Amino acid sequence: EDQVTQSPEALRLQEGESSSLNCSYTVSGLRGLFWYRQDPGKGPEFLFTLYSAGEEKEKERLKATLTKKESFLHITAPKPEDSATYLCAVQARSGGYQKVTFGTGTKLQVIP
Amino acid sequence: DSGVTQTPKHLITATGQRVTLRCSPRSGDLSVYWYQQSLDQGLQFLIQYYNGEERAKGNILERFSAQQFPDLHSELNLSSLELGDSALYFCASSARQDTSGANVLTFGAGSRLTVL
Repeated sequence: EDQVTQSPEALRLQEGESSSLNCSYTVSGLRGLFWYRQDPGKGPEFLFTLYSAGEEKEKERLKATLTKKESFLHITAPKPEDSATYLCAVQARSGGYQKVTFGTGTKLQVIP
Repeated sequence: DSGVTQTPKHLITATGQRVTLRCSPRSGDLSVYWYQQSLDQGLQFLIQYYNGEERAKGNILERFSAQQFPDLHSELNLSSLELGDSALYFCASSARQDTSGANVLTFGAGSRLTVL
């Protein structure tokens, strides 16, 4: 069964203090790994798709990387508006269809 | 606005009752997914439809059912409601798969169900 584990569960950073969020996964036939951002009471918002080990993608202060077993979301010099829950998801082929499995997320708080 | 519309935004009902949640996917998207998100759990996949046909089932209870209509909107029906069914229910849609086969999901704002 596909598994996605995110750590830490919660992270508190001072504004400007860089850090990384981890997503480790166990899946057969990875088709894509996704990062989403979710604000309280709202639906997740797509950030990145990574397809193969070694791939990296950047958007503003966020950079996502992928290895064969895990992905990291690096946050450089975060601002308070980066506070949100960050969700990792993997898509794999399962029984003839594409299944998307989400982790439980890392809740990030950036303090001014 | 993501383009995925969910109604109602909030719903309060009693145990044993039945409710229907509605989702209109983003224009042009053929796939609709339903997810449940409880306070202490992540997004739990319930069911997926593609162009009117059921494609995949996750941990959906027998008391729950869904369908996708010819105009591509979808409804999730929850019956014999229990306290534990209180959660946020999200609908997401996706277009045809990109060349790699990865589906980017666009989520609606969710329907918050409270069962008293």
